[in-house]
Amino acid sequence: KAGVTQTPRYLIKTRGQQVTLSCSPISGHRSVSWYQQTPGQGLQFLFEYFSETQRNKGNFPGRFSGRQFSNSRSEMNVSTLELGDSALYLCASRTGTGGFGANVLTFGAGSRLTVL
Amino acid sequence: AQSVTQLDSHVSVSEGTPVLLRCNYSSSYSPSLFWYVQHPNKGLQLLLKYTSAATLVKGINGFEAEFKKSETSFHLTKPSAHMSDAAEYFCVVRLVSGTYKYIFGTGTRLKVLA
Repeated sequence: KAGVTQTPRYLIKTRGQQVTLSCSPISGHRSVSWYQQTPGQGLQFLFEYFSETQRNKGNFPGRFSGRQFSNSRSEMNVSTLELGDSALYLCASRTGTGGFGANVLTFGAGSRLTVL
Repeated sequence: AQSVTQLDSHVSVSEGTPVLLRCNYSSSYSPSLFWYVQHPNKGLQLLLKYTSAATLVKGINGFEAEFKKSETSFHLTKPSAHMSDAAEYFCVVRLVSGTYKYIFGTGTRLKVLA
């Protein structure tokens, strides 16, 4: 069974640009969550999508947005990049429905964004 | 409000000695608790989970954790550290019902000395 796939793995942008990150969840998983990881703030929750609907949102500015497609793949977008957006962005999927694995997050390897 | 506190930001042990990584949680409801490990430049990998079944939970790579409701703790242990255990460990809490949010601890970086 393939794991959670995130692309790209590494990218470098400059301030003011925008970026789109992609996440393909485990087959059959309908929930996708996004997290930002930085040395100073640790792991912070961005948002969760389930069946193409945003189910939860963290405390991030509106520059951070996401969406989920009918095949459960998800994208997150950051517009008007700032230096502080440099981070490892992690995607996690889970089934989102009942059963043993419903609340177990499986993480991708992350997308490391550097903003210059 | 729910929270999770990892009591040590860094832990150093010698190879072959026991590992103890401490985690305390705060939750108004019976929680689901997890431990994840993150190796450098990698995503997080599930070590073990507690969901109100047995209080002593066994995970991968010889790790285990004990849920102690009276102490609101979920400490991670391993009898004998291996060099490959060097990584960052995260304690995570989630409500059994209601919110879908997961609250992550600040992490404990484990160093294993030869």
